[in-house]
Amino acid sequence: EVQLLESGGGLVQPGGSLRLSCAASGFTFNNYGMSWVRQAPGKGLEWVSDISDSGDSTYYADSVKGRFTLSRDNSKNTLYLHMNSLRAEDTAVYYCAKDSTYADYPDHWGQGTLVTVSS
Amino acid sequence: QLVLTQSPSASASLGASVRLTCTLSSGHSSYAIAWHQQQPEKGPLYLMKLNSDGSHNKGDGIPDRFSGSSSGAERYLTISSLQFEDEADYYCQTWGTGIQVFGGGTKLTVL
Repeated sequence: EVQLLESGGGLVQPGGSLRLSCAASGFTFNNYGMSWVRQAPGKGLEWVSDISDSGDSTYYADSVKGRFTLSRDNSKNTLYLHMNSLRAEDTAVYYCAKDSTYADYPDHWGQGTLVTVSS
Repeated sequence: QLVLTQSPSASASLGASVRLTCTLSSGHSSYAIAWHQQQPEKGPLYLMKLNSDGSHNKGDGIPDRFSGSSSGAERYLTISSLQFEDEADYYCQTWGTGIQVFGGGTKLTVL
């Protein structure tokens, strides 16, 4: 059974940094691309970033480009999202997702971790 | 620009059927999409990938009550024999080179 367990969320001041982790199990981690998707309070889903199976390619939404860095450690089956220069508008639940074999869409989701950016 | 448009809300009676619509932006009518369900206070759940020809691949354990179809730039999610547990937000999503896009979501109310 695919399991994705996010951690690292919390309260951070504007301008601060945070690192989210996603521990994956139940599938061959290094065979799949992975994504982060976020959801601001009361809002819809917003794609944040995607990484290839090898980690060689990363992609970012314009709203986070230059501030967030996505990486993975295939030896630890873990995905990381490093978030710098955080803003109030980054406040959201952040979901880790496993991409499908066929294309860049999630076919399994984690339960999410809440990031609150506030002074 | 790759954009997905969804109606904000829909409603239908218990036991009835409902069809939700997701419209692809101009020039993108051949794109496949994915449908995801988000029940209140839960993470999203992948329902299916839906191709432009109407063929679809459902996620593990998704009931037969959920089906997809396509017409031109429109992608549909039909839920039959509605249950109270189907009351949720439904998001369509598509992808391009280095980008993923979500529709705004449709909130489905089961009456």
